[in-house]
Amino acid sequence: DAKTTQPPSMDCAEGRAANLPCNHSTISGNEYVYWYRQIHSQGPQYIIHGLKNNETNEMASLIITEDRKSSTLILPHATLRDTAVYYCIVPPQGGSEKLVFGKGMKLTVNP
Amino acid sequence: EAGVAQSPRYKIIEKRQSVAFWCNPISGHATLYWYQQILGQGPKLLIQFQNNGVVDDSQLPKDRFSAERLKGVDSTLKIQPAKLEDSAVYLCASSQTETQYFGPGTRLLVL
Repeated sequence: DAKTTQPPSMDCAEGRAANLPCNHSTISGNEYVYWYRQIHSQGPQYIIHGLKNNETNEMASLIITEDRKSSTLILPHATLRDTAVYYCIVPPQGGSEKLVFGKGMKLTVNP
Repeated sequence: EAGVAQSPRYKIIEKRQSVAFWCNPISGHATLYWYQQILGQGPKLLIQFQNNGVVDDSQLPKDRFSAERLKGVDSTLKIQPAKLEDSAVYLCASSQTETQYFGPGTRLLVL
C-alpha cells in the first residue's frame, strides 16, 4: 500500500480557504487518492477521490501534482463545521475498497 | 436515503462479558465493513462482507470476535469474552461502489 504522510494538525480562519496537504511519494500508476473526514463523535465521511486530474465536487477540490507524489485537499470557504480529522488514503491497486486509515490531520476552523 | 444504522450507540460492560453490535447498511449496498477505532487512532478494518460471504477477516481476532451477515443485509459483530483493550468505537460501513458510507458507531467501554 502506498503510505501517506499528513501533518498532525492545522488551523484555519472561518471563511478562508483551507489547504490540506498529503504526501504519497510511493503511489503507483493506477492507485487513487481518497479523502475522508471524521467530525467528532461521528463516523468518517467521504469527501472526494482522484487519480491524475484535479477533481471538484460540492464539498471540496482535490489537486494532485503532476508526478502524483503529493496532493492538496482544498475547502474553499471553511466553516466551523469543517473542524474534523481529515484522512488522506491511497488504497492498493485493484483494492479501492481497502481503506487503511492513518492518524489523519486535525483541522480546526477558528471563528 | 437512510444512512447506515447502528445500535446500540453506547455500551458499558465488564471484562469477560459478551457484547453484540448490530448494523443495518444502506439499502442495496452489497459490501459491508466493520471497523474498530481506538481513541486517538484511525479506524482499523476488522472484517469485510460481500453479500453474505466474508471477503477479508485477516485482522479480526477470531479467538474472541465473530461476525455474521446471514441474509446479506444486516450484520452483527460479537465479542466474547471482552477484554479491557476492546474499549473502542465500532464502526459499520457499507458500499455499492468505491465510496464507503459509515454509520455513527457504537462506543464500547470495557471495565
